Amino acid sequence: DIQMTQSPSSLSASVGDRVTITCRASQGIKNYLAWYQQKPGKVPKLLISAASTLHSGVPSRFSGSGSGTEFTLTISSLQPEDVATYYCQKYDSALTFGPGTKVDVK
Amino acid sequence: EVQLVESGGGLVQPGKSLTLSCVASGFSFDDYAMHWVRQAPGKGLEWVSGISSKSGRVDYADSVKGRFTISRDTAKNSLYLQMNSLRGEDTALYYCAKGQSFAYTDAIHIWGQGTMVIVSS
Repeated sequence: DIQMTQSPSSLSASVGDRVTITCRASQGIKNYLAWYQQKPGKVPKLLISAASTLHSGVPSRFSGSGSGTEFTLTISSLQPEDVATYYCQKYDSALTFGPGTKVDVK
Repeated sequence: EVQLVESGGGLVQPGKSLTLSCVASGFSFDDYAMHWVRQAPGKGLEWVSGISSKSGRVDYADSVKGRFTISRDTAKNSLYLQMNSLRGEDTALYYCAKGQSFAYTDAIHIWGQGTMVIVSS
């Protein structure tokens, strides 16, 4: 089975900082990768699918890149409302989530 | 407005069974894959099962394979999860979720609010 890992597991950054989260698949998954945001006490929200396609209504400061086994989610200018846990998920076959990256604002 | 409303959660003893239901509205249910995703208290997301529309193709996480069964009823716009031989590690908030397309091998678009399942004696 393909395993998904994320790094870092948590980070704290200042408002306006550029934040990058990395997701790695143990085998190639082409671009069958999505990113989700889950704010505390809320349901997850789809941010990006197909590794880099921004979902409707998602702020343009979010972007995704990568293919194969390494992917990144970038927040170009961190905002207070971006405090959340971010999950990657592969969907080339059975769906698998990464363990999550918790993002805080300093 | 797309809505997914789960029900059927509760306290159940280990080894027992429980069936979760999800009623969908606001979209053409027959055109989209549906999923169950769970989240144990304080933990991350775990995909449980998905079912494609039209073909009805299904898949399960290894952790539930052979114990859980996903199904859908187009006439009732409803998704189900039959859970047998429940274990303590099945304790979680179970989300019903809508896929982005007809295939379960696609991103998850919309999530319900979840129904809590607690497995304990």
